[in-house]
Amino acid sequence: DSGVTQTPKHLITATGQRVTLRCSPRSGDLSVYWYQQSLDQGLQFLIQYYNGEERAKGNILERFSAQQFPDLHSELNLSSLELGDSALYFCASSVVRGSGANVLTFGAGSRLTVL
Amino acid sequence: AQKVTQAQTEISVVEKEDVTLDCVYETRDTTYYLFWYKQPPSGELVFLIRRNSFDEQNEISGRYSWNFQKSTSSFNFTITASQVVDSAVYFCALIRGNTPLVFGKGTRLSVIA
Repeated sequence: DSGVTQTPKHLITATGQRVTLRCSPRSGDLSVYWYQQSLDQGLQFLIQYYNGEERAKGNILERFSAQQFPDLHSELNLSSLELGDSALYFCASSVVRGSGANVLTFGAGSRLTVL
Repeated sequence: AQKVTQAQTEISVVEKEDVTLDCVYETRDTTYYLFWYKQPPSGELVFLIRRNSFDEQNEISGRYSWNFQKSTSSFNFTITASQVVDSAVYFCALIRGNTPLVFGKGTRLSVIA
């Protein structure tokens, strides 16, 4: 157990729907990162939060949004879902604000299937 | 921009063989960190190693070893006497400054008994 908790583990939904993925970081970690892993794109960085504030944005679609709450858990909201959004979504956490020394600890992922 | 290339998409070896996974990176920065992560069939990403750009010493951890060569911008990973449990996808990754971790496409290693 990495200490990073992601729910749900699996999610099947239909096109056009909206889902929320939840992540609780490892105790003491202030930064949360979201990554998307799809077969064709590999591991793509979506967004990073540090202590409740957005710190970096990657290839995140406008249909997707995220936030980090005061208790440091984070949620990734995916709306108007398309077939191509089917992927494994990882949350990771680290201790400090994005310096290169950080080791990202990953959760087990949430597998989203859009039918 | 930074980039990580893992040219080997899939490798298949017989148990007890040694295998090397290649990683080539691109960055203009002089300070950066390189990582290897393992993704077993269960799906989670497991941290293996982190190296900074100023430390070119090779590292050995049990059957795992890493060869970092700045001259060729490579950070290769060797598994000695491979075992079936080593079957996984292995990712090389790079981070510099405050930028997010950038991953290579991964190498799928299959170790056959």
